[in-house]
Amino acid sequence: GNSVTQMEGPVTLSEEAFLTINCTYTATGYPSLFWYVQYPGEGLQLLLKATKADDKGSNKGFEATYRKETTSFHLEKGSVQVSDSAVYFCALGDAGNMLTFGGGTRLMVKP
Amino acid sequence: GAVVSQHPSWVICKSGTSVKIECRSLDFQATTMFWYRQFPKQSLMLMATSNEGSKATYEQGVEKDKFLINHASLTLSTLTVTSAHPEDSSFYICSARVGDHGYTFGSGTRLTVV
Repeated sequence: GNSVTQMEGPVTLSEEAFLTINCTYTATGYPSLFWYVQYPGEGLQLLLKATKADDKGSNKGFEATYRKETTSFHLEKGSVQVSDSAVYFCALGDAGNMLTFGGGTRLMVKP
Repeated sequence: GAVVSQHPSWVICKSGTSVKIECRSLDFQATTMFWYRQFPKQSLMLMATSNEGSKATYEQGVEKDKFLINHASLTLSTLTVTSAHPEDSSFYICSARVGDHGYTFGSGTRLTVV
């Protein structure tokens, strides 16, 4: 079956530091890949997505590239802000409309 | 963009009572709605998939008689937690498929059973 593995948190960074959150997946076929962000007490918001190999999703300074050869979709941001503090979920969507989530990574950015 | 409105955002109920959570698609028709449960500091676990006009499909280990899902229209799906107990306290989130590669989520409902 499908699975998503992402690095455990919490990840604690100082403001303006570089961020990488690793995500790897196992899937049959050609899934779509997503990063979602969850702020405290709220639901999930789509951060970015990529639907095929070598696609790069980007939004609000965050980027992730769909790497089929390494089955990865690592999230990066060049300079984090305190307001980026949240929980980030990597997810995989298959042809059957099912989303499989990674365990989530909590990011804490200190001023 | 496609929006799913989820209510209530939080609810406290007494043990043994039932609680209904609603998810409405505001500007699109949601043929399929997904219901997730999230424990503190954990990921989302899919509970069930509901399709408009038919019975929901429950994931293994989810009690269908306890978590009643109704999807009677293309814009409304409901989850009813029946005879709630403290162990049912959790964060419940609905999600709908949008287009070919998108999903939109409700804002979640925090249920506390006392």
